[in-house]
Amino acid sequence: GAVVSQHPSRVICKSGTSVKIECRSLDFQATTMFWYRQFPKQSLMLMATSNEGSKATYEQGVEKDKFLINHASLTLSTLTVTSAHPEDSSFYICSGARDLNQPQHFGDGTRLSIL
Amino acid sequence: AQSVTQPDIHITVSEGASLELRCNYSYGATPYLFWYVQSPGQGLQLLLKYFSGDTLVQGIKGFEAEFKRSQSSFNLRKPSVHWSDAAEYFCAVGIMNYGGATNKLIFGTGTLLAVQP
Repeated sequence: GAVVSQHPSRVICKSGTSVKIECRSLDFQATTMFWYRQFPKQSLMLMATSNEGSKATYEQGVEKDKFLINHASLTLSTLTVTSAHPEDSSFYICSGARDLNQPQHFGDGTRLSIL
Repeated sequence: AQSVTQPDIHITVSEGASLELRCNYSYGATPYLFWYVQSPGQGLQLLLKYFSGDTLVQGIKGFEAEFKRSQSSFNLRKPSVHWSDAAEYFCAVGIMNYGGATNKLIFGTGTLLAVQP
């Protein structure tokens, strides 16, 4: 159990476009979802934490207007990279947790490439 | 400040040999500790976790880890490595929020494991 599906797995788009990434918990309800960014050969950096039905909490240095997060239901959170530029190219990974006392379960990530 | 250190960036072991991946943490309270494994181009899979109780924790795929408070360590071990274990391994500490529950993970920089035939 505790499967998280992330879609798309890879996206390539032109600079200036907006890209939406979906994160779904398939067999559990995720009251909290997390979005991470991972640069090549580096660790995961937490971007934001979202709780169902409330605004996301962003980490210091993460632009909330750039990275829009929506967590409208207990099984779906979305990350929209607005007006994406080449420096936004990265590997984005989401995770979900049943509650704050439970481990996070990760999606397979989205490789975003901005040309 | 909270931090996790994985001193070994890259380790190579022979198939069948034993393995130990090091992890040290810095955290002011009792930590929640995790080990995750990441295959290329994929997300992370939870290997094991320590919340409290027995300091020797058993995980999936034959892995275990031991929490040593005096050394601020949570090293991952496996007695006999298989070729399929080649991947990147991340140690993480869960950060307590005001309510006493974890809501964030601070990751180490990862250790890339290569397995020789």
